[in-house]
Amino acid sequence: NAGVTQTPKFQVLKTGQSMTLQCAQDMNHNSMYWYRQDPGMGLRLIYYSASEGTTDKGEVPNGYNVSRLNKREFSLRLESAAPSQTSVYFCASEGGGAGDTQYFGPGTRLTVL
Amino acid sequence: AQRVTQPEKLLSVFKGAPVELKCNYSYSGSPELFWYVQYSRQRLQLLLRHISRESIKGFTADLNKGETSFHLKKPFAQEEDSAMYYCALSTGGGSNYKLTFGKGTLLTVNP
Repeated sequence: NAGVTQTPKFQVLKTGQSMTLQCAQDMNHNSMYWYRQDPGMGLRLIYYSASEGTTDKGEVPNGYNVSRLNKREFSLRLESAAPSQTSVYFCASEGGGAGDTQYFGPGTRLTVL
Repeated sequence: AQRVTQPEKLLSVFKGAPVELKCNYSYSGSPELFWYVQYSRQRLQLLLRHISRESIKGFTADLNKGETSFHLKKPFAQEEDSAMYYCALSTGGGSNYKLTFGKGTLLTVNP
């Protein structure tokens, strides 16, 4: 039981390049989330998926797209990376039961030059 | 709208001293509150949740609805407690579920 996994762990991009961050969970959770973490800003929700086949915008969705490929996988795509997207990205999943909470992946550290 | 406030960005204490990390929330409904911890360059981990009324690694947190607070406390801090701590508020359910985080408090426990 690996929990929530993310790839890659580190990535450096040039402005304008595109890339996809991958996330998978093996806990049979319904909901999955993408956050970015920046110094002094805490965690900010980019997009989430309450269930397979649905996605919704969070607090800071601009410049990102997501795909809920199946129940296990939720990817985050940067179509044209900008330096402002330099951040640490965390994926999380949550089962949906009463009192449940989110379980986080190890993060992807992205630098956009 | 729900909000979580952690008034201290940084908190520094000496080993063995008591520590209290403050968290205040704003929510009109019945809140579910959590504390997460993030050790250096690691993932966020759930530390404790208010409904469990548990003590984890010596930490406790009591929900005070009158003061809308959920402060995290430990009577004797240890160096290994140095980490970033996030308070979070869970609201709604199903597709309306939302977890709102505070901006975090970086705790440093000095030897």
